[in-house]
Amino acid sequence: DAGVTQSPTHLIKTRGQQVTLRCSPKSGHDTVSWYQQALGQGPQFIFQYYEEEERQRGNFPDRFSGHQFPNYSSELNVNALLLGDSALYLCASRSRQAMQETQYFGPGTRLLVL
Amino acid sequence: QKEVEQNSGPLSVPEGAIASLNCTYSDRGSQSFFWYRQYSGKSPELIMSIYSNGDKEDGRFTAQLNKASQYVSLLIRDSQPSDSATYLCAGGPRFYSSASKIIFGSGTRLSIRP
Repeated sequence: DAGVTQSPTHLIKTRGQQVTLRCSPKSGHDTVSWYQQALGQGPQFIFQYYEEEERQRGNFPDRFSGHQFPNYSSELNVNALLLGDSALYLCASRSRQAMQETQYFGPGTRLLVL
Repeated sequence: QKEVEQNSGPLSVPEGAIASLNCTYSDRGSQSFFWYRQYSGKSPELIMSIYSNGDKEDGRFTAQLNKASQYVSLLIRDSQPSDSATYLCAGGPRFYSSASKIIFGSGTRLSIRP
């Protein structure tokens, strides 16, 4: 049973650039959430996708955008990168059919903005 | 006011003792609570979920929920060096909703000393 996968594992960008991070949910899961985790902090909710639509969004600027594909995989895009965007980006998936709110995390993508 | 609050620690506990981790939440709409363990440089791993008032035991772990006091705790019995990690408390609605989100605290760093 494949768990949540994310790519790439590490990424280095410079200020002003754009980045795309990818996530494949756990088998059987249809809902994908993205979190940003700065060093020493808890994960901060960015947004959540279900049925290819953004259903809920945290307190993040429009520079952060996403997409969900028909196979439930998802992308997180960040434009005009700032130094403060350096963080671990986590994808989590869960299943509407499971009815519970339990979600599982992927290994994360560590982004460094120079 | 943060929705989920935890003492950042570090909490130092001798090997073999009981480690007690605490969490408070402000949103009375939160009905599901989760404890995740996160090793340095890794993604969060779900260790316990609890939905009803009272205790829930799983091996060496016991989660406790008191909705009247808006308080969640995690007890780790017979603490082992491998339990040294950051423990994240999270809360969300009782049942799945595509528009719901799970909110995390900033985590408590636990160190088990030999």
